[in-house]
Amino acid sequence: AQSVTQLDSQVPVFEEAPVELRCNYSSSVSVYLFWYVQYPNQGLQLLLKYLSGSTLVKGINGFEAEFNKSQTSFHLRKPSVHISDTAEYFCAVKGGYNKLIFGAGTRLAVHP
Amino acid sequence: DAGVIQSPRHEVTEMGQEVTLRCKPISGHNSLFWYRQTMMRGLELLIYFNNNVPIDDSGMPEDRFSAKMPNASFSTLKIQPSEPRDSAVYFCASSRDSIQETQYFGPGTRLLVL
Repeated sequence: AQSVTQLDSQVPVFEEAPVELRCNYSSSVSVYLFWYVQYPNQGLQLLLKYLSGSTLVKGINGFEAEFNKSQTSFHLRKPSVHISDTAEYFCAVKGGYNKLIFGAGTRLAVHP
Repeated sequence: DAGVIQSPRHEVTEMGQEVTLRCKPISGHNSLFWYRQTMMRGLELLIYFNNNVPIDDSGMPEDRFSAKMPNASFSTLKIQPSEPRDSAVYFCASSRDSIQETQYFGPGTRLLVL
């Protein structure tokens, strides 16, 4: 069965510092990976996705993620965060029947 | 495109009452998903429709929950009778029918059962 583990439930960081949000997955089939962001009181918005090809994926708002098959990871990074990046971030893998299997989420708190 | 539309955005009701949540998927999307989000359990997939047909309802918590999709542009999630533990944010999402396609989420319905 496919599953996603987000290793950090909360990540505090200062503004303009780099950040990495960690995600590990387990899957026995082709891997399609997604990162979503949820701002307070809003729905989930796609940040980026990996389907195939280049292992470095660039998304919106300056985020990028690297697919590492040997380590079964798909960590999300941003070189310099802003206050507006404060949100909850969800890693997900596509399962059978086109379903998304989500991790528990990582709350990113950016402090001035 | 207007995106996925959900109504109402907020619902407060009393225990035992019937609650109906509504969703309009993005035009052209033939897969529709209902999720529930709580602090304790995170994001849970409740049910998944493809071409208006329920494909997987294994996430529906119990018989008090039911979902329908009478046509390609409308779906409902009904709770009858509602209980305080049903308080959560309910999201609807839609996508095209392919494992590579992105799911697009609505803004959610925040339900509070007193």
